[in-house]
Amino acid sequence: KQEVTQIPAALSVPEGENLVLNCSFTDSAIYNLQWFRQDPGKGLTSLLLIQSSQREQTSGRLNASLDKSSGRSTLYIAASQPGDSATYLCAVKSGGTSYGKLTFGQGTILTVHP
Amino acid sequence: GEEVAQTPKHLVRGEGQKAKLYCAPIKGHSYVFWYQQVLKNEFKFLISFQNENVFDETGMPKERFSAKCLPNSPCSLEIQATKLEDSAVYFCASSRPPGAGSFYEQYFGPGTRLTVT
Repeated sequence: KQEVTQIPAALSVPEGENLVLNCSFTDSAIYNLQWFRQDPGKGLTSLLLIQSSQREQTSGRLNASLDKSSGRSTLYIAASQPGDSATYLCAVKSGGTSYGKLTFGQGTILTVHP
Repeated sequence: GEEVAQTPKHLVRGEGQKAKLYCAPIKGHSYVFWYQQVLKNEFKFLISFQNENVFDETGMPKERFSAKCLPNSPCSLEIQATKLEDSAVYFCASSRPPGAGSFYEQYFGPGTRLTVT
């Protein structure tokens, strides 16, 4: 059974800092990995999707890396802003089918203060 | 539409009452997924559909939960005889069919918050 863990559970940083969120998964036979953002009381916004054959994906100030063999992914946020404050969720789609379910981590609650 | 739509936004039911939630996937998407979020960030997969066919129902508590995706209608998730523990936010997601440009990404709706009192 796939298990996904995110650390830290919460992070508070001053504006402008670069930061790293970590995600680990127990079964390396994944199809892809998605990073999401969730604002309080809102749905999920997909930030980045990394296919199992890829090592990293970039979008603006966000960079996600994937090391499938060690079961790890990191989300790097450059020059953080107060608007980045949200919960960040990592979810993996395990191997076998491209339309499989996602298994989510518990999330990292990020607060960026001015 | 270009977004996954879920209705209602909020639903309050007394324990033992029925609850029915609706999801309209993005136009052209053929896969629909239901997830339950309890205790802030704990997501649990419930069921998925390929068009109107059940694809994976391994997460469904079958004794009280049922779901359908019928042609030309929103998908639905129904809970018979709700319990306090069913209080959660229920998210629907959809994915494109196989083809060029499809990375099987799941796009999520805003969720329906169910409160059972």
